[in-house]
Parts: sequence; structure tokens; C-alpha cells
Amino acid sequence: ETGVTQTPRHLVMGMTNKKSLKCEQHLGHNAMYWYKQSAKKPLELMFVYNFKEQTENNSVPSRFSPECPNSSHLFLHLHTLQPEDSALYLCASSQDDINQPQHFGDGTRLSIL
Amino acid sequence: GIQVEQSPPDLILQEGANSTLRCNFSDSVNNLQWFHQNPWGQLINLFYIPSGTKQNGRLSATTVATERYSLLYISSSQTTDSGVYFCAVGGAGSYQLTFGKGTKLSVIP
Repeated sequence: ETGVTQTPRHLVMGMTNKKSLKCEQHLGHNAMYWYKQSAKKPLELMFVYNFKEQTENNSVPSRFSPECPNSSHLFLHLHTLQPEDSALYLCASSQDDINQPQHFGDGTRLSIL
Repeated sequence: GIQVEQSPPDLILQEGANSTLRCNFSDSVNNLQWFHQNPWGQLINLFYIPSGTKQNGRLSATTVATERYSLLYISSSQTTDSGVYFCAVGGAGSYQLTFGKGTKLSVIP
């Protein structure tokens, strides 16, 4: 049990589908992050939220749309994805900002057909 | 941006052996973290260590910030230590961690 829960664990979708990834943290943290991990590439930061406000968008295509309704929940809405978007999507949280230990969820493995 | 280089890229150990993993970075940092990703994809934070030395059981880490490197020591390795070890750094004023490509460790019985 890592304190950060992601659902679903696996997702297969077509390019025209709309789906959402969910992340929930039970650690009382105020910062949450979405990362993308593709094969043979380092982890890439996608979005940063601090106290529910999006503070960074790392040049992510608009087909990925984050939502943070409160400090404990983070969503990633997906629509019209491309095959190259197939990857492991990881959610993380830290107490207040980047300069504290980050704790990761187990990830959602996404496959685009 | 900061460059992070980890070595070796791959490492195979006999159970019970010790190992040292290295992380070099190209600029001064105020944030350095070590992570272990197990074969099932779970990423666990091992150390938050922008400087100095820390120990947690069979694992220890040392960061020499002035010389821009960090070392992760694994003693008496076990098969459950297998996976990929990532180093991630952040510079002053940075909003993100930059991850290295990782060291893939395989511990064989």
C-alpha cells in the first residue's frame, strides 16, 4: 500500500474513445503530479498541481486534460489519443512542492489501438 | 536543463553480493531522490538526499553535491531488489525532477 491509488491499472482504448484516469492520495499532501513512462525513455513530467491549482503544464498535447477537484484527487481525461500515447501513466504526490519526497501510485498501463 | 547520467545501465548480481550504483548530474541541485521500480512497475521512493549520507536497512545513499554525483549502495542483495533504480534531480527554482534512464538490476539466486 503506497498511499497513492490509481485506477484503472490497465486500459485499452481506441483512438476515438474518451476515458479518464483517476488518482487518489491518502497522505495529506498538497502537490500532485502526472508522469508518462514510455519504453526506453526516462520518466516525463506532464502536469503539476499545487493546492488544487495547475502550476505547470510541460507542453503536453491538448488531448490530455487534467482535473484536480481537491487536494486528494487528480484525474487525467483522455480523448482522441494516438498510438504513441501508449505508455505507463504514473501519478505522484508530495507534501507541498517538488523539494520533498515524491510518492508514486502503481500506474495505469494504457494501450491505444 | 540538467543532464542526469546513471551507471551502469545494467547489472547482474549473485544473491548476497554488494553493489554501488552511480548518478552524475551536470549542474548544482537542491533536490535528489532515488527510486526503485519493481518488475510490476511500482515506483518506490528510497531516499530524498540532496546532500550527505542516509541509511535504510541494507540500502544507503551518499550525495556529494559539490562534485555532482550520488551513490546508492545495496548490501547483501536479495532477489526482491531486482528492478530498475532511478535517480532524479531538481535544480534551484526548478518545478520538476529530471530522471535518469535508470540502472536495471537483476539479482539471481
